[in-house]
Amino acid sequence: NAGVTQTPKFQVLKTGQSMTLQCAQDMNHEYMSWYRQDPGMGLRLIHYSVGAGITDQGEVPNGYNVSRSTTEDFPLRLLSAAPSQTSVYFCATRAGLGTDTQYFGPGTRLTVL
Amino acid sequence: SQQGEEDPQALSIQEGENATMNCSYKTSINNLQWYRQNSGRGLVHLILIRSNEREKHSGRLRVTLDTSKKSSSLLITASRAADTASYFCATDDNSGAGSYQLTFGKGTKLSVIP
Repeated sequence: NAGVTQTPKFQVLKTGQSMTLQCAQDMNHEYMSWYRQDPGMGLRLIHYSVGAGITDQGEVPNGYNVSRSTTEDFPLRLLSAAPSQTSVYFCATRAGLGTDTQYFGPGTRLTVL
Repeated sequence: SQQGEEDPQALSIQEGENATMNCSYKTSINNLQWYRQNSGRGLVHLILIRSNEREKHSGRLRVTLDTSKKSSSLLITASRAADTASYFCATDDNSGAGSYQLTFGKGTKLSVIP
């Protein structure tokens, strides 16, 4: 039982490049979400999903796309990377309504030059 | 926007001492949670307190919640060097069915000196 896995662990992009951050979970959790964490800041919600085929925007969605074709996977796409997207990205899961604990992946550290 | 705000931003104590961190929030909540983050790692859930609870214990952790003041505190007793980490409060802000966003504060960085 791996829990929540994220790949890659580290990534360096040039401005304008696109890439996909992968998140996978093996806990059969309904809810998945993406956060970014910047120095001196808490976590800010980018996008979230309450089940396969359903996604919604969080606090800071601009410049990011998500899709949820399966329960297990919730990829985050950067369409055209900008230096302002340099951050650490965390994927998290939650079992569903009526449950409260979030389980976090180890994070992806992204640098955009 | 940040819902929870932790205080202090940084705290340095000697091993064996108690550490107290505070969190204030702005809107009504279903529950408030505390998470720990070790350097370079993801967040780990520590404890949850519901809006109708006033105090909760888990091992060396004690959490209080005062909904009238919209504040919570996390007490770690008999601290150990392994408790060195950043601690975040997160609120479940009662946005309704299907919406469950947790809103995190900026965290308190705790250093426990051996």
